[in-house]
Amino acid sequence: GAVVSQHPSWVICKSGTSVKIECRSLDFQATTMFWYRQFPKQSLMLMATSNEGSKATYEQGVEKDKFLINHASLTLSTLTVTSAHPEDSSFYICSAGTGGGYQPQHFGDGTRLSIL
Amino acid sequence: AQKITQTQPGMFVQEKEAVTLDCTYDTSDQSYGLFWYKQPSSGEMIFLIYQGSYDEQNATEGRYSLNFQKARKSANLVISASQLGDSAMYFCAMREASIGTSYGKLTFGQGTILTVHP
Repeated sequence: GAVVSQHPSWVICKSGTSVKIECRSLDFQATTMFWYRQFPKQSLMLMATSNEGSKATYEQGVEKDKFLINHASLTLSTLTVTSAHPEDSSFYICSAGTGGGYQPQHFGDGTRLSIL
Repeated sequence: AQKITQTQPGMFVQEKEAVTLDCTYDTSDQSYGLFWYKQPSSGEMIFLIYQGSYDEQNATEGRYSLNFQKARKSANLVISASQLGDSAMYFCAMREASIGTSYGKLTFGQGTILTVHP
């Protein structure tokens, strides 16, 4: 089946550091990638949608300058948390979809980000 | 706007018994897709089952079946013969129709934590 690889799986860093998270579709071309944020025992909150070669579409309330998204190719999207602070600590998970119809999104395994 | 509601924050079931996880949805779209995902404590999202709005038959995948009642706007997940490994958080989700080559985004419910007792 379709595989999405997310890296790193765990990050601990100091406040003020910028952190980059990669999301790769390994065996298919992802026309659209999504980035979610999830707090413990809560639902996934969509942060932004990115289409290859286009600027990302951010959900209301998500700071574009804080969470930089790049979707430079059909197999790679990156999320950069700039100048991270403790309140940015969370579980970030990406997903990828391709084509029309109602094929399921394929999720990465997520990144646990802890800012000290 | 689409909305997904899961009213059961937590459910408990005895091993080998069946359990139903509730999901209701609201949309003005005629064409939509409904999905169920499982999220174990390790965090990954595992796709379980899909139901299209025009599908006349209820979807089934192994021990998972989706009880789709379109008029009531419900898409409940039924897990038969529960196993200890089924303990996880379960999310119901709806996908918007695609626009061109852009893949429609998912709207998730609040989730239900299922605990299977031995």
